[in-house]
Amino acid sequence: DQQVKQNSPSLSVQEGRISILNCDYTNSMFDYFLWYKKYPAEGPTFLISISSIKDKNEDGRFTVFLNKSAKHLSLHIVPSQPGDSAVYFCAASALNPGGSEKLVFGKGTKLTVNP
Amino acid sequence: DVKVTQSSRYLVKRTGEKVFLECVQDMDHENMFWYRQDPGLGLRLIYFSYDVKMKEKGDIPEGYSVSREKKERFSLILESASTNQTSMYLCASNIDSFSYNSPLHFGNGTRLTVT
Repeated sequence: DQQVKQNSPSLSVQEGRISILNCDYTNSMFDYFLWYKKYPAEGPTFLISISSIKDKNEDGRFTVFLNKSAKHLSLHIVPSQPGDSAVYFCAASALNPGGSEKLVFGKGTKLTVNP
Repeated sequence: DVKVTQSSRYLVKRTGEKVFLECVQDMDHENMFWYRQDPGLGLRLIYFSYDVKMKEKGDIPEGYSVSREKKERFSLILESASTNQTSMYLCASNIDSFSYNSPLHFGNGTRLTVT
């Protein structure tokens, strides 16, 4: 049961344009969402997050939008730069019954920004 | 800056061997995690630990065990390596119980090949 879905395995955009990476989830108990970025031969690094009580969070060129009714979030990168080329993982967080965190990752989307 | 160090970048082992993957973090983090990353499957949690000598199963613990004798060190053990355990293994840590308060810090990964 894939609770966090990134349906696009890859995305290619031109430098300077907007990149939009999408993520859908099925578990309505998720209350926090995060994006991680991963370069080849490196571990993922945290990029941006959003609480379920918000619909937008912005950090420089990166903005995450959350549509709770549609169980959908998206990461916008404007303007896209070649250095943004990486795999982007969407992750969702919920509380387990015992009080620990359940963190579920999507399969990732490989973004290529062409000069 | 948090540093999570995985002792090996690349490992090649034979089927049936016992394999140890070591991970050390230098920021006194309470929580440590082992994930594996496979193409088309994203990041999947194998085991995690919230304290010394404490461990909990993640989503795919079969064929693995872990050891946390010291706070800074978390070892992943493949008791009898099999070819389906060929993968990228990622160690991570954070200080808080929940990743929205304390995003995961990942190591650079160990690419294990089992022949």
